[in-house]
Amino acid sequence: EDKVVQSPLSLVVHEGDTVTLNCSYEVTNFRSLLWYKQEKKAPTFLFMLTSSGIEKKSGRLSSILDKKELFSILNITATQTGDSAVYLCAINNAGNMLTFGGGTRLMVKP
Amino acid sequence: EPEVTQTPSHQVTQMGQEVILRCVPISNHLYFYWYRQILGQKVEFLVSFYNNEISEKSEIFDDQFSVERPDGSNFTLKIRSTKLEDSAMYFCASRGGQGRFQNTEAFFGQGTRLTVV
Repeated sequence: EDKVVQSPLSLVVHEGDTVTLNCSYEVTNFRSLLWYKQEKKAPTFLFMLTSSGIEKKSGRLSSILDKKELFSILNITATQTGDSAVYLCAINNAGNMLTFGGGTRLMVKP
Repeated sequence: EPEVTQTPSHQVTQMGQEVILRCVPISNHLYFYWYRQILGQKVEFLVSFYNNEISEKSEIFDDQFSVERPDGSNFTLKIRSTKLEDSAMYFCASRGGQGRFQNTEAFFGQGTRLTVV
């Protein structure tokens, strides 16, 4: 059974801090790892990672995948209150369904 | 920007009643999904649909559940006889690509909150 574990479960930081969110996984037939941001309702897509060692960046967010050690990290630099959300990591397997982790709840205080 | 739309946003139903949750996927997408998230828990895969048939389903997706793409634009999830434990947020998602194994991201709708009383 595919498994995705995220840590920490929750995190409280102040604006301007840098955070690192972790995702480890066990999966048969890995195709990709995805990061989503969930604020109130729908998960919104952030990154899709398929290859080890290639950093994906979007503004203050970046992510990297290690397929040997089976983990990924999501970094957010210079955090803002608008970054407060639940960050979800998901694995896409050969069946093209997503297996989600439990999420990391990030709260950024002013 | 194209988006996945779901209706209704919130549905309250009595136990034992049938419900139909509706989704309009992004128009040129080929792969469609239903996921659910019970309050405070993980997002869980229910079913995927490709080429007018179910391609994968989870253990949650039992005989009480069915999906349909009746008219080429809507994608529906029907729960035949709702139970209290069906109360959850149900997300529809769609994915593009030219074939089943194309590796592209899934886009999610805003969800339907189903409350069974």
